[in-house]
Amino acid sequence: EDQVTQSPEALRLQEGESSSLNCSYTVSGLRGLFWYRQDPGKGPEFLFTLYSAGEEKEKERLKATLTKKESFLHITAPKPEDSATYLCAVLSTGSNYKLTFGKGTLLTVNP
Amino acid sequence: NAGVTQTPKFRILKIGQSMTLQCTQDMNHNYMYWYRQDPGMGLKLIYYSVGAGITDKGEVPNGYNVSRSTTEDFPLRLELAAPSQTSVYFCASSRTSPPGGTQYFGPGTRLTVL
Repeated sequence: EDQVTQSPEALRLQEGESSSLNCSYTVSGLRGLFWYRQDPGKGPEFLFTLYSAGEEKEKERLKATLTKKESFLHITAPKPEDSATYLCAVLSTGSNYKLTFGKGTLLTVNP
Repeated sequence: NAGVTQTPKFRILKIGQSMTLQCTQDMNHNYMYWYRQDPGMGLKLIYYSVGAGITDKGEVPNGYNVSRSTTEDFPLRLELAAPSQTSVYFCASSRTSPPGGTQYFGPGTRLTVL
């Protein structure tokens, strides 16, 4: 069974204080790992897809990296508007369409 | 371009009642999905569709039904609502299948069953 564990559950940062969120996964074979951002009361918003170990993708202050067991979402010099819940999901070789989601990390960035 | 829209935004049902959650997308996407998100839990796939007239069960389909008569619409039907169906429901769509097909989510429907 595919599993995704995100840590920490919640993270509070000061504006400008860089940090990383972790997504550990267990799958039979990885077809893709996804990062989403979810604001309160809204649907998830797509950020990145990573396909293989060693891959990195960047968008503004966010950089996602992937190893064979985990992914990190690095946040550089965060701003208050980066506050949100960040979700990680995986698609395995044993699943055509079913993404397995983690519970998310609630990030709060204080001014 | 409205993307994925869902109605209603909020709904309270009594045990045993039925309702349909509406989902429409204007991006001409072939693939559509229904998820539920329970507090403190990850999203779980209820049903999905790969095109008009084609639907299949996801991870947690019991108590739900879907239909896909057009490319744009993918309604989710709850029959005989139960408290365990209290959740936030998200509809999503993608142009192609995952992992390459990015899933775009609607704003959600918050359902409470009392």
